[in-house]
Amino acid sequence: GAGVSQSPSNKVTEKGKDVELRCDPISGHTALYWYRQSLGQGLEFLIYFQGNSAPDKSGLPSDRFSAERTGGSVSTLTIQRTQQEDSAVYLCASNIEGAKNTQYFGPGTRLTVL
Amino acid sequence: GQSLEQPSEVTAVEGAIVQINCTYQTSGFYGLSWYQQHDGGAPTFLSYNALDGLEETGRFSSFLSRSDSYGYLLLQELQMKDSASYFCAVPKKPWAGSYQLTFGKGTKLSVIP
Repeated sequence: GAGVSQSPSNKVTEKGKDVELRCDPISGHTALYWYRQSLGQGLEFLIYFQGNSAPDKSGLPSDRFSAERTGGSVSTLTIQRTQQEDSAVYLCASNIEGAKNTQYFGPGTRLTVL
Repeated sequence: GQSLEQPSEVTAVEGAIVQINCTYQTSGFYGLSWYQQHDGGAPTFLSYNALDGLEETGRFSSFLSRSDSYGYLLLQELQMKDSASYFCAVPKKPWAGSYQLTFGKGTKLSVIP
């Protein structure tokens, strides 16, 4: 079946502009995660959604970052007033509720803030 | 909090065996996972250990010692395509039902002819 998809694959924006990144999880996966990966670094957790529960936003680096998940499926990560330090690859992952080990990652969106 | 330590780089010869170590500190332990990521690609799940001992999946094996807060990934019969970054990860259980992962910074494996 289809895996996790993300769009756009690449996004170049100017400092101060807002951007929206989209994630389509695997159908039936109730848990959805956003991570950020800077060049040569590990994955930094940002936010996760679990079913209809309130999202865990503990990883969001500032109030410029927000995310929503509509209808328990598609998620959008929004970064307002982008800064150069926001440049990174933003990865989305999904899995089945209760799965401790396996997360299925999308190809990521490479964000470049000029 | 949670933290994981792994070497930043490892180089090995094609056909050889390489071991990538990971030590962790967690508040609550729910297993140790390993992920592979090729340059420009998405992380993909390799293996998971919840209990002490060795788990084998083809050329890849993963080991866990909970008493030592330590695990390793063992890659045998190395192939050029194994050149990638390898991440260890531990789940953090924020509340009942699901888990977010905390990742190590990754080990970049270079396989040379």
